[in-house]
Amino acid sequence: EVQLLESGGGLVQPGGSLRLSCAASGFSFSDYAMSWIRQAPGKGLEWVSAFSGTGGGTFYADSVKGRFTISRDNSKDTLFLQMNSLKAEDTAIYYCARSAVVATPFDYWGQGTLVTVSS
Amino acid sequence: DIQMTQSPSSLSASVGDRVTITCQATRDIRNFLNWYQEKPGKAPKLLVYDASKLATGVPSRFSGGGSGTHFTFTITSLQPEDSATYYCQQYDNLLFYTFGQGTKLEIK
Repeated sequence: EVQLLESGGGLVQPGGSLRLSCAASGFSFSDYAMSWIRQAPGKGLEWVSAFSGTGGGTFYADSVKGRFTISRDNSKDTLFLQMNSLKAEDTAIYYCARSAVVATPFDYWGQGTLVTVSS
Repeated sequence: DIQMTQSPSSLSASVGDRVTITCQATRDIRNFLNWYQEKPGKAPKLLVYDASKLATGVPSRFSGGGSGTHFTFTITSLQPEDSATYYCQQYDNLLFYTFGQGTKLEIK
């Protein structure tokens, strides 16, 4: 069974940093592209970043480019999101999701981890 | 960037009813359109991909249609467990995915 389990969320002050993790199981992690998608309180879904399964390409939404860094450790079946210079508008539930390759549907999602940026 | 306009933002219907949600793209996205279901506290779930293909294990009362800029998502014979928020999402642009604003479906 495919499982994605996010962790690392919490309360952080504006300007601070946080590192999210997504532990994957039930599939060959290195064969798939992985993304982070977020949902601010009362808002819709927003794609944040993607990491291709092969070739190592990384992609970012304009709203986080230069502040967030996506990475993955295929030996540990884990995806990461390093978030720096956090702003109040980054407050959201952060989901990790799997897709066959970048720019294909997200066929499995985790249940999310909440990030709150507030003083 | 491609913008997705989803409507209605909310609707209420009864068990057994048929409901349709629409999604409009600001430019031609061919058939690169997916539909997801989101329930509180649960992982979002892919229901329809490539505009009209049903994801594995999804009941046949769910369906999708359309191409280009106009898309529809239909649930026939509503069930109580269909109460959720539904999102369309385009992936025609290789570098960016865009979601619609969501449609909250309430079962009376």
